[in-house]
Amino acid sequence: ILNVEQSPQSLHVQEGDSTNFTCSFPSSNFYALHWYRWETAKSPEALFVMTLNGDEKKKGRISATLNTKEGYSYLYIKGSQPEDSATYLCAFMDASGGSNYKLTFGKGTLLTVNP
Amino acid sequence: DTEVTQTPKHLVMGMTNKKSLKCEQHMGHRAMYWYKQKAKKPPELMFVYSYEKLSINESVPSRFSPECPNSSLLNLHLHALQPEDSALYLCASSQDDRGKTQYFGPGTRLLVL
Repeated sequence: ILNVEQSPQSLHVQEGDSTNFTCSFPSSNFYALHWYRWETAKSPEALFVMTLNGDEKKKGRISATLNTKEGYSYLYIKGSQPEDSATYLCAFMDASGGSNYKLTFGKGTLLTVNP
Repeated sequence: DTEVTQTPKHLVMGMTNKKSLKCEQHMGHRAMYWYKQKAKKPPELMFVYSYEKLSINESVPSRFSPECPNSSLLNLHLHALQPEDSALYLCASSQDDRGKTQYFGPGTRLLVL
């Protein structure tokens, strides 16, 4: 069973604050790390797919980094806005199962941005 | 069109009922997935279809029966479910099953009485 951990479980910040959360995953058989943003009653929305050690990706005010050797990824949100309130999920994909590239999700970080 | 649609949004069924969940995408994706999510838990993979063939069954009980009639449609047939099967069922699709971004539908909230 693969262990994908996210911390913190939940986070409350004020509008304008910058914040970050962590996803840790197995450092062996790495294939990809996915980040998703999931607002209540909506579909999970893909943010990033990260594959290379040292990768940094950016989408607007959201960015992510990846360290495959130590098995962690950080997601950063700069200048949080109330509309950033959502659960942020990371999902680890390993290639140990031949052609079966399966996503194993963490439990997510619930971000609440107060106006 | 980057949308994955799922019907119904909500479903209540008894343990003796037979029902089906539907998922549709028109992005030309050749991999489609069913996930199950219980409250406060992460989504868990149930099935993967690749080019309309079942490629992964994560030891799901036979009361869940997937079907992929064509490359745009994915069904999940439900029969003789248990109350513990109550959950959110998410469908997703991706270009192929080799690690590409997965696009999710909004899910079907299932309650088994």
